[in-house]
Amino acid sequence: DTEVTQTPKHLVMGMTNKKSLKCEQHMGHRAMYWYKQKAKKPPELMFVYSYEKLSINESVPSRFSPECPNSSLLNLHLHALQPEDSALYLCASSQVLSTDTQYFGPGTRLTVL
Amino acid sequence: KQEVTQIPAALSVPEGENLVLNCSFTDSAIYNLQWFRQDPGKGLTSLLLIQSSQREQTSGRLNASLDKSSGRSTLYIAASQPGDSATYLCAVYGRGSTLGRLYFGRGTQLTVWP
Repeated sequence: DTEVTQTPKHLVMGMTNKKSLKCEQHMGHRAMYWYKQKAKKPPELMFVYSYEKLSINESVPSRFSPECPNSSLLNLHLHALQPEDSALYLCASSQVLSTDTQYFGPGTRLTVL
Repeated sequence: KQEVTQIPAALSVPEGENLVLNCSFTDSAIYNLQWFRQDPGKGLTSLLLIQSSQREQTSGRLNASLDKSSGRSTLYIAASQPGDSATYLCAVYGRGSTLGRLYFGRGTQLTVWP
């Protein structure tokens, strides 16, 4: 099973809302990633967790808060977002933090009103 | 910083044609290179991963080559079909201080018409 699942598929939120995106994998991978992708652009790395510890934070604004409660689950908590944060949010995982193949989920389409 | 360029940005071909997508990168000190496919509004599907010690990889009608010394990779699609229509992304894996980072090109948007 090489599947990464993400929920919800679509999310619409106001600028004062708090919401969370969820990502799950059951491949035994110990590295998990959040990417942000705007239309017609390539994915941009946001965060990387390795063995449930935050390993990379690409200077992402604090209104995005990642969490890795266990080795299978990755959350992205959203608070006080701006309309320009509207994008496709992709989760990925790999065996370990190295050059192993990253497997991507289907993404969550986020719209901030 | 690693820069990845894909040419062409868009390609429209009739069904049955063989085609080549190009990817170039500025820093040859890469580990692996991966080709992905992305359908509109969807996630990324891995097509082929070429390790730095390899020259090419094949999967069905797809063949990807890697020339680290020149900083280039090509994705060859044989006998294209309408179902191949998608955006194809090339990505290189960082190493050393950039371990864990994937550097993406902007993609080639492919349309195959019947």
